[in-house]
Amino acid sequence: GAGVSQSPSNKVTEKGKDVELRCDPISGHTALYWYRQRLGQGLEFLIYFQGNSAPDKSGLPSDRFSAERTGESVSTLTIQRTQQEDSAVYLCASSQTEGNTEAFFGQGTRLTVV
Amino acid sequence: AQSVSQHNHHVILSEAASLELGCNYSYGGTVNLFWYVQYPGQHLQLLLKYFSGDPLVKGIKGFEAEFIKSKFSFNLRKPSVQWSDTAEYFCAGRNTGGFKTIFGAGTRLFVKA
Repeated sequence: GAGVSQSPSNKVTEKGKDVELRCDPISGHTALYWYRQRLGQGLEFLIYFQGNSAPDKSGLPSDRFSAERTGESVSTLTIQRTQQEDSAVYLCASSQTEGNTEAFFGQGTRLTVV
Repeated sequence: AQSVSQHNHHVILSEAASLELGCNYSYGGTVNLFWYVQYPGQHLQLLLKYFSGDPLVKGIKGFEAEFIKSKFSFNLRKPSVQWSDTAEYFCAGRNTGGFKTIFGAGTRLFVKA
């Protein structure tokens, strides 16, 4: 596609429920990143994919968070048993891996846990 | 540990004022540095980037940044801001050849018309 697409754009869920957030990267971009942005704070790195593998999962805040990527394309971030502190905007970005390149961001998914 | 620090969280300027937003990084080795901007209701966009070469980098919309290795800084500047520059600005960095990009906390700029 022309840009990074994320869905849903907004999600309200009840505490304790599981949620899945989707990211469609720019076609041909082999690197994919997930970040979290809490209100009034910077971007917190969660996980990075190179192809379908995740060499760096160091940012995932707990074992309730997981992510996968298939076909070197779509990625899904899953949060199990959501808590109120999970409320944030979840941003996805993608980039090429050859040469010096920057990341292109999606619009984000605003998650509210009530 | 790798980190990126932005000194100002909120900046208010009048139109035509000059802008300088501070950014310091903590990385070993060579670095790639970025400034991203997020206009209200829009996604993050790249303003400019430094990979190597000339430490004075020019970006879109009249923005520039200077990489000063001795000060571990990459401050963003614009000689004369406009109301349309109202946005949140993020400094970011990563090790050269790496992919984990660390972002600063962001600076919210409000330009009064």
